[in-house]
Amino acid sequence: EIVLTQSPGTLSLSPGERATLSCRASQSVSSSFLAWYQQKPGQAPRLLIYSTSTRATGIPDRFSGSGSGTDFTLTISRLEPEDFAVYYCQQYGSSPPITFGQGTRVETK
Amino acid sequence: QVQLQESGPGLVKPSETLSLTCSVSGGSIGGYYWSWIRQPAGKGLEWIGHIYTSGSPYNNPSLKSRVTMSVDRSKSEFSLTLTSVTPADTAVYYCARLALAGPGSREGFFDLWGRGTLVTVSS
Repeated sequence: EIVLTQSPGTLSLSPGERATLSCRASQSVSSSFLAWYQQKPGQAPRLLIYSTSTRATGIPDRFSGSGSGTDFTLTISRLEPEDFAVYYCQQYGSSPPITFGQGTRVETK
Repeated sequence: QVQLQESGPGLVKPSETLSLTCSVSGGSIGGYYWSWIRQPAGKGLEWIGHIYTSGSPYNNPSLKSRVTMSVDRSKSEFSLTLTSVTPADTAVYYCARLALAGPGSREGFFDLWGRGTLVTVSS
């Protein structure tokens, strides 16, 4: 099973700042099959990025993904008020099982 | 647009069976894999499994033989049963649509989610 470790646990930033979230895998993720989700309180997760760097439909271009092998990054270039949420990475290249990271909370500084 | 809606009992007794249904509206249930994911309060996400519309379930080994999934195309629904539940199974349960990683793959990411339903296991 691939274990995904996200860091930091909490990121305290102000609107307009850049957010850099890390997701590290315990072994190489096959074909860079890694996705990112955003979850707000009381809501279901929303797909942001798949295949490491492809934005899902309707996702603004301030969200970008990069990485390969065991190290992946989600970057939010300029935080908007609606971006403060919890973000999860998920790998689907080496299953079963499909696994998720434990999440990074982006909170207002 | 396609929408998913979970339904089922909010309270299940320990050792009993949890049963949930997900209704698919606004589009066809055919031709996709349909998934279940859960999230204990304040914690992360756990993939339970997914099933193609014609069968072929694919489960998380950690849940072993406790999980059964099925699809009812006539009702545009898919279902989850989880047997021998314990308080550790208390969580928000989400149904979701799986977008496959590629041709011939059985894995993928989740591009559409239901709102989730809280299931509490308690006597």
